[in-house]
Amino acid sequence: DTGVSQNPRHKITKRGQNVTFRCDPISEHNRLYWYRQTLGQGPEFLTYFQNEAQLEKSRLLSDRFSAERPKGSFSTLEIQRTEQGDSAMYLCASSRGGYNEQFFGPGTRLTVL
Amino acid sequence: DAKTTQPPSMDCAEGRAANLPCNHSTISGNEYVYWYRQIHSQGPQYIIHGLKNNETNEMASLIITEDRKSSTLILPHATLRDTAVYYCIVRGGQAAGNKLTFGGGTRVLVKP
Repeated sequence: DTGVSQNPRHKITKRGQNVTFRCDPISEHNRLYWYRQTLGQGPEFLTYFQNEAQLEKSRLLSDRFSAERPKGSFSTLEIQRTEQGDSAMYLCASSRGGYNEQFFGPGTRLTVL
Repeated sequence: DAKTTQPPSMDCAEGRAANLPCNHSTISGNEYVYWYRQIHSQGPQYIIHGLKNNETNEMASLIITEDRKSSTLILPHATLRDTAVYYCIVRGGQAAGNKLTFGGGTRVLVKP
């Protein structure tokens, strides 16, 4: 257990539905990252926050995706109008500052039927 | 971020040292080499990182060549629990946002 928690651990949804995932980072960490991992591939960067500010978004993050970190603590990742191609493991990580190691949560596995 | 090249898979005998190579020939002067591993169905786990000097911690040793174009992660006494995918990552500076860029990694199977 790294101290980063994610909920839910598994989500099955039908195509076209909206889903929201939550990440609770290690409390003193100011950086929070979201990654996506498809089967057999390494994780791919989606976006990151420093405190409550979203500082970078990958081109992978289409306009159906939105992430927030309202008080600089927990973060949510919402996917609207899910597609089958969104099926993946969504990983959250946190760190103290930019150069320190990132601690990953267990991930949320999304299956879109 | 510089690209890394790792063998896709390797086997290792339990109790023996596992030496995992990584090539990063385009690494620049301010980029660090990081190693993470991912055990099946878990999030990636940080192992070790270095800039130019060799590093050692309770999990592993990292040997970086003098020209910094390659490195080797050494697991001194591999156990069955070390079976995982190991990722070598060159981590960018401020402009890159300090995100991690994962490649395909090396799938390590520790055999009894």
